[in-house]
Amino acid sequence: AQSVTQLGSHVSVSEGALVLLRCNYSSSVPPYLFWYVQYPNQGLQLLLKYTTGATLVKGINGFEAEFKKSETSFHLTKPSAHMSDAAEYFCAVIPFQGAQKLVFGQGTRLTINP
Amino acid sequence: DTEVTQTPKHLVMGMTNKKSLKCEQHMGHRAMYWYKQKAKKPPELMFVYSYEKLSINESVPSRFSPECPNSSLLNLHLHALQPEDSALYLCASSSDYGGWAYFGPGTRLTVL
Repeated sequence: AQSVTQLGSHVSVSEGALVLLRCNYSSSVPPYLFWYVQYPNQGLQLLLKYTTGATLVKGINGFEAEFKKSETSFHLTKPSAHMSDAAEYFCAVIPFQGAQKLVFGQGTRLTINP
Repeated sequence: DTEVTQTPKHLVMGMTNKKSLKCEQHMGHRAMYWYKQKAKKPPELMFVYSYEKLSINESVPSRFSPECPNSSLLNLHLHALQPEDSALYLCASSSDYGGWAYFGPGTRLTVL
């Protein structure tokens, strides 16, 4: 069964520092990969997605992620953290084209220290 | 318009009540979803509708009854819920197959 692993349930960085949230997936075929952000008491907002093509994907709010097939990873980065980035981040995968089910990781809570 | 709307935002109900959650999207998406999310957990898929037909039911108890009246609307009918059903209920939609899902803001449900 396909699965998504997010390393670190809680990541804390200083304002202005690099943000790195890790995501690894298991899939026998190239999947579709997503990062969602959830602010307190809100729904999920799509940050970025990888389906095909360029492996470096840019999203909203200055985030980007790189699909590395050899490492089965899709880590999320942002060069300089902002206080407004504090939220819960979910990595998710659609395991194959045509699948209707998003498989989510357990989430990583990002805290930004002033 | 890339928006999924949900009503109500908050709902408190007793275990004998009947209530409904509503979801609407006008993006022309043909797949719509209900998810349940407990605190500090990822969303859990409950139901998937594809072209207005139920295509996935993740073994959800019958006290939850989904309905898709048309391609833009999705309802979740609730009856005889338990306190452990208290959660954030999220609706989402996506284009056909394998599309990324757009989520609504959710309904915060409390069962007393």
